[in-house]
Amino acid sequence: QQPVQSPQAVILREGEDAVINCSSSKALYSVHWYRQKHGEAPVFLMILLKGGEQKGHEKISASFNEKKQQSSLYLTASQLSYSGTYFCGTGRSGTASKLTFGTGTRLQVTL
Amino acid sequence: EAGVAQSPRYKIIEKRQSVAFWCNPISGHATLYWYQQILGQGPKLLIQFQNNGVVDDSQLPKDRFSAERLKGVDSTLKIQPAKLEDSAVYLCASSPGTGGREKLFFGSGTQLSVL
Repeated sequence: QQPVQSPQAVILREGEDAVINCSSSKALYSVHWYRQKHGEAPVFLMILLKGGEQKGHEKISASFNEKKQQSSLYLTASQLSYSGTYFCGTGRSGTASKLTFGTGTRLQVTL
Repeated sequence: EAGVAQSPRYKIIEKRQSVAFWCNPISGHATLYWYQQILGQGPKLLIQFQNNGVVDDSQLPKDRFSAERLKGVDSTLKIQPAKLEDSAVYLCASSPGTGGREKLFFGSGTQLSVL
């Protein structure tokens, strides 16, 4: 089953923060986050494995709550380059390498 | 390092025609994936190969879609005959291993329009 992302779309001004959520109805082993710009391939951001860890690089970080089967992506002090569609991909235990991608969140950062 | 290569970049065909897409993954990557991405939606896995073998093809419409991975390297995805609803971007991705702990490297995709 496809994970649900929220919000569906968000518009930010440069420097503002955003949170994108990803929820699954199934127990999860891993969560991947990718960003896709229009007409381009998805680009990897990070992977989180079960255990409630939080990861991040620069101003983009994420958390994974295994019990709630949710992950959140945090974008801090957004830049114009953050614009694009963000997808979470979830892997379930036993079939972890099979990712099911979410519905996507369109993010637009403006001046 | 060279990325995942796909061709053609664009393809326009009429319904009931056949079409084939090609993918060359990153050298040494064991796992290769074909995803279908319909406009405005997330990628949907069609088939996953681990080396030469098929790991998952549960969402591949086998009456019209077929895929193979030659000698555990290149792969082709074929649609025959195509339907209007097959219009989408077909993304190929690869990863070094198989355990779900590794990131996927995506190619630029093939945009298919079925008229």
